[in-house]
Amino acid sequence: DSGVTQTPKHLITATGQRVTLRCSPRSGDLSVYWYQQSLDQGLQFLIHYYNGEERAKGNILERFSAQQFPDLHSELNLSSLELGDSALYFCASSISGGAIDTQYFGPGTRLTVL
Amino acid sequence: ELKVEQNPLFLSMQEGKNYTIYCNYSTTSDRLYWYRQDPGKSLESLFVLLSNGAVKQEGRLMASLDTKARLSTLHITAAVHDLSATYFCAVVFWPSRSNDYKLSFGAGTTVTVRA
Repeated sequence: DSGVTQTPKHLITATGQRVTLRCSPRSGDLSVYWYQQSLDQGLQFLIHYYNGEERAKGNILERFSAQQFPDLHSELNLSSLELGDSALYFCASSISGGAIDTQYFGPGTRLTVL
Repeated sequence: ELKVEQNPLFLSMQEGKNYTIYCNYSTTSDRLYWYRQDPGKSLESLFVLLSNGAVKQEGRLMASLDTKARLSTLHITAAVHDLSATYFCAVVFWPSRSNDYKLSFGAGTTVTVRA
Protein backbone atom coordinates (compact mmCIF):
# COMPACT_ATOMS: atom_id res chain seq x y z
CA ASP A 1 0.00 0.00 0.00
CA SER A 2 1.61 3.24 -1.21
CA GLY A 3 -0.56 5.50 0.92
CA VAL A 4 -2.01 7.20 -2.15
CA THR A 5 -5.74 6.71 -2.63
CA GLN A 6 -7.81 7.13 -5.76
CA THR A 7 -11.54 7.03 -6.23
CA PRO A 8 -13.44 5.59 -7.89
CA LYS A 9 -11.68 2.37 -8.86
CA HIS A 10 -13.87 1.86 -11.89
CA LEU A 11 -15.99 4.25 -13.87
CA ILE A 12 -18.21 3.45 -16.83
CA THR A 13 -19.80 6.31 -18.69
CA ALA A 14 -21.00 7.37 -22.12
CA THR A 15 -19.47 9.55 -24.79
CA GLY A 16 -20.02 13.24 -24.25
CA GLN A 17 -20.24 12.94 -20.50
CA ARG A 18 -18.06 14.50 -17.81
CA VAL A 19 -16.37 12.69 -14.93
CA THR A 20 -14.18 13.60 -11.98
CA LEU A 21 -11.39 11.44 -10.66
CA ARG A 22 -10.07 12.03 -7.17
CA CYS A 23 -6.64 11.49 -5.66
CA SER A 24 -5.44 11.85 -2.08
CA PRO A 25 -1.66 11.97 -1.69
CA ARG A 26 0.41 10.36 1.02
CA SER A 27 0.49 12.26 4.25
CA GLY A 28 3.15 14.95 4.01
CA ASP A 29 3.48 14.89 0.23
CA LEU A 30 2.95 18.21 -1.50
CA SER A 31 3.06 17.10 -5.13
CA VAL A 32 0.41 15.26 -7.10
CA TYR A 33 0.96 13.93 -10.61
CA TRP A 34 -1.60 12.53 -13.05
CA TYR A 35 -0.88 9.91 -15.69
CA GLN A 36 -2.90 8.13 -18.35
CA GLN A 37 -2.19 4.57 -19.49
CA SER A 38 -3.84 3.11 -22.56
CA LEU A 39 -3.03 0.35 -25.01
CA ASP A 40 -2.90 2.86 -27.88
CA GLN A 41 -0.72 5.54 -26.35
CA GLY A 42 1.07 3.82 -23.52
CA LEU A 43 1.90 5.82 -20.43
CA GLN A 44 1.53 9.56 -20.68
CA PHE A 45 2.24 12.28 -18.17
CA LEU A 46 -0.72 14.64 -17.88
CA ILE A 47 -0.02 17.24 -15.22
CA HIS A 48 1.82 17.97 -11.98
CA TYR A 49 0.61 20.12 -9.09
CA TYR A 50 2.76 21.24 -6.22
CA ASN A 51 1.20 22.74 -3.12
CA GLY A 52 -1.84 23.92 -5.03
CA GLU A 53 -0.02 25.38 -8.02
CA GLU A 54 0.41 23.88 -11.48
CA ARG A 55 4.03 22.86 -11.78
CA ALA A 56 4.26 21.19 -15.18
CA LYS A 57 1.89 20.25 -17.94
CA GLY A 58 2.26 17.24 -20.18
CA ASN A 59 -0.02 15.79 -22.82
CA ILE A 60 -3.22 16.89 -21.20
CA LEU A 61 -6.07 17.58 -23.59
CA GLU A 62 -7.99 20.84 -23.42
CA ARG A 63 -11.09 18.82 -22.50
CA PHE A 64 -9.27 17.74 -19.34
CA SER A 65 -8.49 19.90 -16.35
CA ALA A 66 -7.10 19.37 -12.90
CA GLN A 67 -6.67 21.16 -9.64
CA GLN A 68 -5.15 20.64 -6.25
CA PHE A 69 -7.07 21.80 -3.24
CA PRO A 70 -5.81 23.35 0.02
CA ASP A 71 -5.97 19.95 1.74
CA LEU A 72 -3.66 18.75 -1.10
CA HIS A 73 -6.06 16.27 -2.64
CA SER A 74 -6.41 16.60 -6.38
CA GLU A 75 -9.16 16.13 -8.91
CA LEU A 76 -8.88 15.39 -12.61
CA ASN A 77 -11.90 16.47 -14.61
CA LEU A 78 -12.53 14.87 -17.97
CA SER A 79 -15.26 16.35 -20.14
CA SER A 80 -16.84 15.71 -23.54
CA LEU A 81 -15.59 12.17 -23.21
CA GLU A 82 -14.64 10.19 -26.28
CA LEU A 83 -14.13 6.47 -26.76
CA GLY A 84 -10.38 7.08 -26.91
CA ASP A 85 -10.39 8.45 -23.38
CA SER A 86 -10.94 4.95 -22.05
CA ALA A 87 -7.80 4.23 -20.06
CA LEU A 88 -6.28 3.74 -16.65
CA TYR A 89 -5.66 6.98 -14.85
CA PHE A 90 -3.02 6.97 -12.15
CA CYS A 91 -2.08 9.63 -9.73
CA ALA A 92 1.15 9.74 -7.79
CA SER A 93 2.50 11.87 -5.01
CA SER A 94 5.92 12.98 -3.83
CA ILE A 95 7.37 15.22 -1.17
CA SER A 96 8.90 17.96 -3.27
CA GLY A 97 7.97 19.78 -6.45
CA GLY A 98 11.13 19.53 -8.48
CA ALA A 99 10.53 16.30 -10.46
CA ILE A 100 13.50 14.80 -8.67
CA ASP A 101 12.17 12.54 -6.00
CA THR A 102 10.49 9.18 -5.72
CA GLN A 103 6.84 9.10 -6.67
CA TYR A 104 4.28 6.88 -4.95
CA PHE A 105 1.43 5.70 -7.12
CA GLY A 106 -2.19 5.16 -6.35
CA PRO A 107 -4.07 2.04 -7.49
CA GLY A 108 -5.59 3.84 -10.45
CA THR A 109 -9.05 4.53 -11.83
CA ARG A 110 -10.17 2.50 -14.81
CA LEU A 111 -12.34 4.63 -17.06
CA THR A 112 -14.48 3.01 -19.71
CA VAL A 113 -16.29 5.25 -22.17
CA LEU A 114 -19.06 3.52 -24.11
CA GLU B 1 9.74 16.35 -28.99
CA LEU B 2 11.42 14.01 -26.56
CA LYS B 3 11.49 10.42 -27.78
CA VAL B 4 12.26 7.55 -25.44
CA GLU B 5 13.02 4.11 -26.80
CA GLN B 6 13.27 0.97 -24.76
CA ASN B 7 14.62 -2.30 -25.95
CA PRO B 8 13.90 -5.01 -25.99
CA LEU B 9 10.14 -4.69 -25.70
CA PHE B 10 9.84 -8.30 -24.61
CA LEU B 11 12.44 -10.27 -22.70
CA SER B 12 12.23 -13.91 -21.75
CA MET B 13 14.75 -14.58 -19.02
CA GLN B 14 16.06 -17.80 -17.64
CA GLU B 15 16.36 -17.98 -13.88
CA GLY B 16 19.86 -17.36 -12.67
CA LYS B 17 21.09 -15.50 -15.74
CA ASN B 18 21.92 -11.81 -16.23
CA TYR B 19 20.13 -9.43 -18.58
CA THR B 20 20.05 -5.74 -19.52
CA ILE B 21 17.23 -3.44 -20.59
CA TYR B 22 18.18 -0.31 -22.52
CA CYS B 23 16.54 3.09 -22.50
CA ASN B 24 17.64 5.59 -25.16
CA TYR B 25 16.35 9.13 -25.39
CA SER B 26 16.61 11.88 -27.94
CA THR B 27 17.15 15.12 -26.00
CA THR B 28 19.61 16.27 -23.39
CA SER B 29 18.45 15.27 -19.95
CA ASP B 30 19.93 14.40 -16.61
CA ARG B 31 16.78 13.07 -14.97
CA LEU B 32 15.58 9.56 -15.52
CA TYR B 33 13.21 7.24 -13.70
CA TRP B 34 12.71 3.51 -13.77
CA TYR B 35 9.37 1.97 -12.81
CA ARG B 36 7.97 -1.50 -12.45
CA GLN B 37 4.40 -2.55 -13.17
CA ASP B 38 2.98 -5.96 -12.31
CA PRO B 39 0.10 -7.22 -14.48
CA GLY B 40 -3.14 -5.46 -13.57
CA LYS B 41 -1.40 -3.33 -10.95
CA SER B 42 -0.21 0.19 -10.53
CA LEU B 43 3.30 1.51 -11.00
CA GLU B 44 6.11 1.24 -8.49
CA SER B 45 9.11 3.57 -8.53
CA LEU B 46 12.40 1.71 -8.71
CA PHE B 47 15.10 4.30 -9.27
CA VAL B 48 15.59 8.02 -9.77
CA LEU B 49 18.82 8.87 -11.61
CA LEU B 50 19.83 12.50 -11.34
CA SER B 51 23.22 12.96 -12.96
CA ASN B 52 25.66 11.63 -15.48
CA GLY B 53 27.30 8.48 -14.22
CA ALA B 54 24.63 7.89 -11.58
CA VAL B 55 24.36 4.27 -10.53
CA LYS B 56 21.76 2.86 -8.17
CA GLN B 57 21.25 -0.67 -6.98
CA GLU B 58 18.47 -2.44 -5.17
CA GLY B 59 18.65 -6.19 -4.78
CA ARG B 60 19.12 -7.82 -8.18
CA LEU B 61 18.45 -4.59 -10.09
CA MET B 62 21.03 -1.97 -10.97
CA ALA B 63 20.36 1.15 -13.01
CA SER B 64 22.85 3.54 -14.54
CA LEU B 65 22.71 6.75 -16.53
CA ASP B 66 25.06 8.02 -19.25
CA THR B 67 23.80 11.47 -20.21
CA LYS B 68 26.38 11.93 -22.94
CA ALA B 69 25.23 8.80 -24.71
CA ARG B 70 21.60 9.57 -23.74
CA LEU B 71 21.33 6.05 -22.45
CA SER B 72 20.21 4.35 -19.28
CA THR B 73 20.49 0.67 -18.55
CA LEU B 74 18.63 -1.53 -16.11
CA HIS B 75 20.72 -4.59 -15.34
CA ILE B 76 19.17 -7.68 -13.81
CA THR B 77 21.49 -10.06 -12.01
CA ALA B 78 20.61 -13.74 -11.54
CA ALA B 79 16.99 -13.37 -12.59
CA VAL B 80 14.29 -14.84 -10.38
CA HIS B 81 10.60 -15.38 -11.05
CA ASP B 82 9.56 -12.46 -8.82
CA LEU B 83 11.15 -10.06 -11.29
CA SER B 84 8.55 -10.88 -13.94
CA ALA B 85 6.86 -7.55 -14.67
CA THR B 86 6.88 -4.68 -17.15
CA TYR B 87 9.64 -2.13 -16.66
CA PHE B 88 9.35 1.45 -17.86
CA CYS B 89 11.87 4.22 -18.10
CA ALA B 90 10.81 7.86 -18.12
CA VAL B 91 12.91 10.87 -19.01
CA VAL B 92 12.50 14.45 -17.81
CA PHE B 93 13.67 17.41 -19.82
CA TRP B 94 13.29 21.16 -19.76
CA PRO B 95 12.47 22.55 -23.24
CA SER B 96 13.36 26.09 -22.28
CA ARG B 97 15.02 27.98 -19.49
CA SER B 98 12.02 27.66 -17.24
CA ASN B 99 10.77 25.50 -14.43
CA ASP B 100 8.25 23.79 -16.71
CA TYR B 101 9.40 20.31 -17.64
CA LYS B 102 8.27 17.51 -19.91
CA LEU B 103 8.25 13.85 -19.03
CA SER B 104 8.10 11.02 -21.57
CA PHE B 105 7.87 7.29 -21.02
CA GLY B 106 9.36 4.44 -22.93
CA ALA B 107 7.01 1.78 -24.27
CA GLY B 108 7.97 -0.65 -21.53
CA THR B 109 9.85 -3.95 -21.47
CA THR B 110 7.77 -6.97 -20.52
CA VAL B 111 9.93 -9.41 -18.65
CA THR B 112 9.07 -13.06 -18.12
CA VAL B 113 11.37 -15.18 -16.01
CA ARG B 114 11.21 -18.91 -16.60
CA ALA B 115 12.72 -21.71 -14.62
